[in-house]
Amino acid sequence: DAGVIQSPRHEVTEMGQEVTLRCKPISGHNSLFWYRQTMMRGLELLIYFNNNVPIDDSGMPEDRFSAKMPNASFSTLKIQPSEPRDSAVYFCASRGSANTGELFFGEGSRLTVL
Amino acid sequence: GENVEQHPSTLSVQEGDSAVIKCTYSDSASNYFPWYKQELGKGPQLIIDIRSNVGEKKDQRIAVTLNKTAKHFSLHITETQPEDSAVYFCAASIRADDMRFGAGTRLTVKP
Repeated sequence: DAGVIQSPRHEVTEMGQEVTLRCKPISGHNSLFWYRQTMMRGLELLIYFNNNVPIDDSGMPEDRFSAKMPNASFSTLKIQPSEPRDSAVYFCASRGSANTGELFFGEGSRLTVL
Repeated sequence: GENVEQHPSTLSVQEGDSAVIKCTYSDSASNYFPWYKQELGKGPQLIIDIRSNVGEKKDQRIAVTLNKTAKHFSLHITETQPEDSAVYFCAASIRADDMRFGAGTRLTVKP
């Protein structure tokens, strides 16, 4: 099993640019989560999907952030326009069943906005 | 919403000693309490979890205890080894969808 795959692993961009982070969940998993990790705020839940439908996006910082899941095997997190305070590691995680509870995390996308 | 506090933020122990990390949560409706280990450059990985109908769970050198009345739970690692060095996160949730993580504990095991 390849696990959760995220790309890019590292992204350096300038303030104002659009950033798109990508995630491929584990095949057969029906829930997908986007987390942001910073030293100051730790691991924050941004948004999650069940069966490709966004369930709770209350953690999305502001309108500059958007997430989509067009099908069961792909999700994107977009930041437009990006700002230096968006610099963080963004994790995608998938889960097979609510009964198990276990989240399987990808290796993260480290974003630096200059 | 749920608020999870974790202590200590850093912990250094000698190889072979035990390590204990403690967490408290605010929402009495929470019923699922996992612990994740994050190694450098990697995503967090589940190491053990406990549900509210159980007070204690053990898996080899790792154990978790839960006190629902006091709303706190703890991770115990015995006979620590250098490869246990990592950042550990506790979490709490009601539906397993709304997982809220503690701030993390950086554990260092000295050889």
